[in-house]
Amino acid sequence: GEDVEQSLFLSVREGDSSVINCTYTDSSSTYLYWYKQEPGAGLQLLTYIFSNMDMKQDQRLTVLLNKKDKHLSLRIADTQTGDSAIYFCAESLNDYKLSFGAGTTVTVRA
Amino acid sequence: ETGVTQTPRHLVMGMTNKKSLKCEQHLGHNAMYWYKQSAKKPLELMFVYSLEERVENNSVPSRFSPECPNSSHLFLHLHTLQPEDSALYLCASSQEWASGAVGYEQYFGPGTRLTVT
Repeated sequence: GEDVEQSLFLSVREGDSSVINCTYTDSSSTYLYWYKQEPGAGLQLLTYIFSNMDMKQDQRLTVLLNKKDKHLSLRIADTQTGDSAIYFCAESLNDYKLSFGAGTTVTVRA
Repeated sequence: ETGVTQTPRHLVMGMTNKKSLKCEQHLGHNAMYWYKQSAKKPLELMFVYSLEERVENNSVPSRFSPECPNSSHLFLHLHTLQPEDSALYLCASSQEWASGAVGYEQYFGPGTRLTVT
């Protein structure tokens, strides 16, 4: 199957860490991606991880991949109000197809 | 203009109208995509063009008709739409039509919010 699943909502207090979880089904996925969509804008690539990696860190972002469980997570440290957005998990299925989840709406409260 | 632009940003049309969505990329990419984004549903890939040739048509109804006159421009022609076609239509482009490699990530436009009445 090609289903990518994520929880729909996450509320977090400013300054805390956010963790967004995603499960995917295709064990042959080569790359897994996190995209961010701010209101009124298109999707922006945040980070990606190659399937032979367990972890990738990029400033405040940490991606963890558990290939055995087909579980991907995105941790945002020191969450700020500008991090409020919809976050999409996606897996690459072949040369051009990305399969996206439904998106997790992250709300940062003061 | 930089990146991927889409016009119009908002469109309201009746079921008997004919309209077109336009996408333009200023990134020198060779592949362009149309996606449909409905609330709380995964993005649906509709069409893929690589070097102006259609390489994917994902079982999209014929009331949606894409056109790619050159590698910088992509259109989506709409006619006799249904209310369930109301959604955000996103255009994207990539350097090649390989998404599984570094550097081939897709860049998205801001989308056209379509409402069918």
